[in-house]
Amino acid sequence: GAVVSQHPSRVICKSGTSVKIECRSLDFQATTMFWYRQFPKQSLMLMATSNEGSKATYEQGVEKDKFLINHASLTLSTLTVTSAHPEDSSFYICSAGGTTSPYEQYFGPGTRLTVT
Amino acid sequence: KQEVTQIPAALSVPEGENLVLNCSFTDSAIYNLQWFRQDPGKGLTSLLLIQSSQREQTSGRLNASLDKSSGRSTLYIAASQPGDSATYLCAVRPRNTGKLIFGQGTTLQVKP
Repeated sequence: GAVVSQHPSRVICKSGTSVKIECRSLDFQATTMFWYRQFPKQSLMLMATSNEGSKATYEQGVEKDKFLINHASLTLSTLTVTSAHPEDSSFYICSAGGTTSPYEQYFGPGTRLTVT
Repeated sequence: KQEVTQIPAALSVPEGENLVLNCSFTDSAIYNLQWFRQDPGKGLTSLLLIQSSQREQTSGRLNASLDKSSGRSTLYIAASQPGDSATYLCAVRPRNTGKLIFGQGTTLQVKP
């Protein structure tokens, strides 16, 4: 149980375009989802916390107009990287906390974004 | 501000050795601490979760301890195998928040 999926697993886009990444909890309802970014050989940095039906809370230094987060249902959150630039190239990972087990986060497999 | 540090950054050992990975955190007001494994280019696999009221957790060859008062946790791996080669991440969950704060990780290589 507690499976989180991400789609796509890899995406290459041109500079200036927008990319949407989906995060789904497959077998549980997630009231809260988290989005992390990981640069090569670095650890995970939290970007934002999203709660179902409300606006996301962004960490300091993360541009909310650039990284749009939507958490429209208890099983789906999306991250849209708008007007992507090469410096946005990174590994994006989502995690979800269940309604019955908020103590542990379950992580998706990640999405590798490359902006050319 | 909570900060998480992992030492060493990298470790290379021969197969069969027992080893210890260290994690320290600056603020003892945590809800729990988790150890994860990450293979290159992949997501995270949760290994062990220790609640703040617990001292240790065990799963197979893995044992994680927590000393909240001193801000330390260790991950002990017994009889290491080449398949244990990966990056190990420690993360704490501060009280009153669901988010995790990660350390930089320890990259482990177990040589056959």
